[in-house]
This record gives sequence, structure tokens and C-alpha cells, in this order.
Amino acid sequence: GENVEQHPSTLSVQEGDSAVIKCTYSDSASNYFPWYKQELGKRPQLIIDIRSNVGEKKDQRIAVTLNKTAKHFSLHITETQPEDSAVYFCAASMDNQFYFGTGTSLTVIP
Amino acid sequence: NAGVMQNPRHLVRRRGQEARLRCSPMKGHSHVYWYRQLPEEGLKFMVYLQKENIIDESGMPKERFSAEFPKEGPSILRIQQVVRGDSAAYFCASSPGQGAVYGYTFGSGTRLTVV
Repeated sequence: GENVEQHPSTLSVQEGDSAVIKCTYSDSASNYFPWYKQELGKRPQLIIDIRSNVGEKKDQRIAVTLNKTAKHFSLHITETQPEDSAVYFCAASMDNQFYFGTGTSLTVIP
Repeated sequence: NAGVMQNPRHLVRRRGQEARLRCSPMKGHSHVYWYRQLPEEGLKFMVYLQKENIIDESGMPKERFSAEFPKEGPSILRIQQVVRGDSAAYFCASSPGQGAVYGYTFGSGTRLTVV
């Protein structure tokens, strides 16, 4: 089955700096890669996603890149704000289920 | 559209009791997925159901756990004879179709505590 690894597990940045979270996956058949943000005690919420026919996608301060050859994808958050503090999960998907990374706890220091 | 509704939000059970977790998918969604999130860990797939059918239960423990999605009513995740290790947050997600192209919407989860 698919194996998704996510790094780092914790990340602290100063407000205004950029944050980068990286994930690798093992199954080349995976074709959809969403990123979820989970605030403490709340549901995971989709913040951005990318499909395997695209190399990069951007939505305001958030961008995701995908390297299919190397089987890795990354989340980039620019101009971080305190409200960006949360746990971020990457996932790789094919067919019926998503395989999640173990999460990155991001803390943005004001 | 109220989104994916899960209840209860919090559930406390004594060891050996049964836990029943409910998930009502978004309107128009007929595909339901259950995930378990242990403290400090990611989301682990448990089971994928469509109405009246279990499509993929490869993530379900072989004993004590069962899931259903009847023709009418919510999807139910049942845990019999709960143990302390079952304490976790259980999230359900729904989608309107099969396959990654449809994406997921998560519910707010049920936090099960076994005492």
C-alpha cells in the first residue's frame, strides 16, 4: 500500500517568515495530493490540493509543488501569521482512500 | 447544507462497554469514510462504505470493530468491548463519488475516551 512520510513533525517560525512542509509518497499510482489544516480540537479542513498532472498550484499565501518523478510534494506558506498555527497533514490518494502523513505542528511566533 | 455531521462529539465509555459513533454525510454524498486519529498521530484509514455496502475495510481491526451505512439513516461505527487503546478521535468524511477527483469533507469528529 501507499506510505506517506511527512517532515518536519514540528516547525516554529517568526511571524512574516515562510514555512515549508515536505511529504514523500511511495506509490506512483497516487494521483491526488491534498493538504489539510487541523486546529486544536477541530476537523481537518482542506486548504489546497494538487493533481498529478500539475506541478505547482498557488492560492494567495499558500502554494503546493509536486515532483512526480521524485514522489514528493511540499506545502509553502509565505508571510506567516499567528492564525496559521495548526497541525498540517499531507495526503496521497488514489481510488478509494487517502493516506495521510503524520502531521506537522506549525507554530507562528508573533 | 449542514456539512458532515458526527455525534456525539464526546463519548466516555468504561472498559468492556460498547461505543456507537454516528456520521451523517453531506447532502448528496453517498460515500463515507471513517478515520481514527490517535493522540499526536495522523489520520489512519479504517473503512470506506457506500449505501448498504462495505467497499474497503482494510484498515479496520479484525475484532470488535464494525461499520455500516444503511439505506436510511447515518453511518455507524461500532466498537464492542472497548479497551483503553480505543481512546482516540474518530473522524468521518464523505464525498459525492468514488475517486480522488471528488475530494473529501470531514466531520468534526467524535472523541472517544475509555476509562
